[in-house]
Amino acid sequence: QKEVEQNSGPLSVPEGAIASLNCTYSDRGSQSFFWYRQYSGKSPELIMSIYSNGDKEDGRFTAQLNKASQYVSLLIRDSQPSDSATYLCAVKTSYDKVIFGPGTSLSVIP
Amino acid sequence: DAGVTQSPTHLIKTRGQQVTLRCSPKSGHDTVSWYQQALGQGPQFIFQYYEEEERQRGNFPDRFSGHQFPNYSSELNVNALLLGDSALYLCASSITPGELFFGEGSRLTVL
Repeated sequence: QKEVEQNSGPLSVPEGAIASLNCTYSDRGSQSFFWYRQYSGKSPELIMSIYSNGDKEDGRFTAQLNKASQYVSLLIRDSQPSDSATYLCAVKTSYDKVIFGPGTSLSVIP
Repeated sequence: DAGVTQSPTHLIKTRGQQVTLRCSPKSGHDTVSWYQQALGQGPQFIFQYYEEEERQRGNFPDRFSGHQFPNYSSELNVNALLLGDSALYLCASSITPGELFFGEGSRLTVL
């Protein structure tokens, strides 16, 4: 079992729709969770961090965490073409390593 | 305020050679992590340095080694290069664990 898994893409959504990105992790002792966005040819940039169960909202982005299910998600409301990128889920494990998932490619169609 | 800077941006080596990649962290950041990213994949954790010591290491062979200097800058060294070492090498600095600021990366091609 891989440490961090993400829903396979690519994911295509129309402009203005909600994009839903999912992530599961294997280390039950993990406490810190992150979403990074990576545009083609660029390096990853942090967009959200979440540490407690529940929802965390930042503008059009909402991160959701369920530690019991070992599940993290990212919702992007009112998706824009500029949101087209690869979204990387990252987990700080109980042994203090920050492990990334394989990423989900999102394409927002105008 | 300069962000994370990496050098060189691109380099080409042949199998068996050695390479050194350099990273200067964001001002005020004391922790440096290195990742390898193959095309179409997520970044793979190589190791992390804090207070000039390797604190954590991923599943990479001993051919991969590193160093952190007193000014927090860091180097990644790879010996006996293999074709499979061709990738984008990303340096990230942080203060808060997990909240990583990445440089633009060093693209290594091994022929």
